[in-house]
Amino acid sequence: QKEVEQNSGPLSVPEGAIASLNCTYSDRGSQSFFWYRQYSGKSPELIMFIYSNGDKEDGRFTAQLNKASQYVSLLIRDSQPSDSATYLCAVKGSNSGYALNFGKGTSLLVTP
Amino acid sequence: NAGVTQTPKFRILKIGQSMTLQCTQDMNHNYMYWYRQDPGMGLKLIYYSVGAGITDKGEVPNGYNVSRSTTEDFPLRLELAAPSQTSVYFCASSRDLPAYEQYFGPGTRLTVT
Repeated sequence: QKEVEQNSGPLSVPEGAIASLNCTYSDRGSQSFFWYRQYSGKSPELIMFIYSNGDKEDGRFTAQLNKASQYVSLLIRDSQPSDSATYLCAVKGSNSGYALNFGKGTSLLVTP
Repeated sequence: NAGVTQTPKFRILKIGQSMTLQCTQDMNHNYMYWYRQDPGMGLKLIYYSVGAGITDKGEVPNGYNVSRSTTEDFPLRLELAAPSQTSVYFCASSRDLPAYEQYFGPGTRLTVT
């Protein structure tokens, strides 16, 4: 089983700060990487995906991918209390067909 | 577009009963998936489908069955429900290139007692 690891948290940041969420994966041949946000009692919501090394920005969110070090991160700028949720990292592996391997998620708490 | 819809939202089953969880998507996606999510355990893939008439097992298929007769619908059947099947079930669909990103339905919370 290919592993996707995340720190479970909770990660607590003050409102307006940058939240940094990290994810490591074991399958060196992994192709695509995804960040989902999941509010308590709700379904996962796609924030963004990345498949090339480097940074990808979308509004207040930046995904960073480093395939050599096998990690992917999500930065949330100007964090808001409404960003408080669990963030799931998912990876499309080299041999997983169309399926994604999900990490267990990092709980983020943004305090006013 | 409604996206991915699931019914029912909640259900309580007695041990040994059977039921079908419904999933429909209106995005014309070829790929569809069923996951279960247990507290602290992350999402586990039960079954997936790459198109009408084609299904395959995921990581935790035992106790479940699926069918895919149309592009839009991907029902999940639970036979002889067991307490271990108490979970939240999510259906998802994806397009293909470039990244096969998946979009999730609202989920079904199932309790087996």
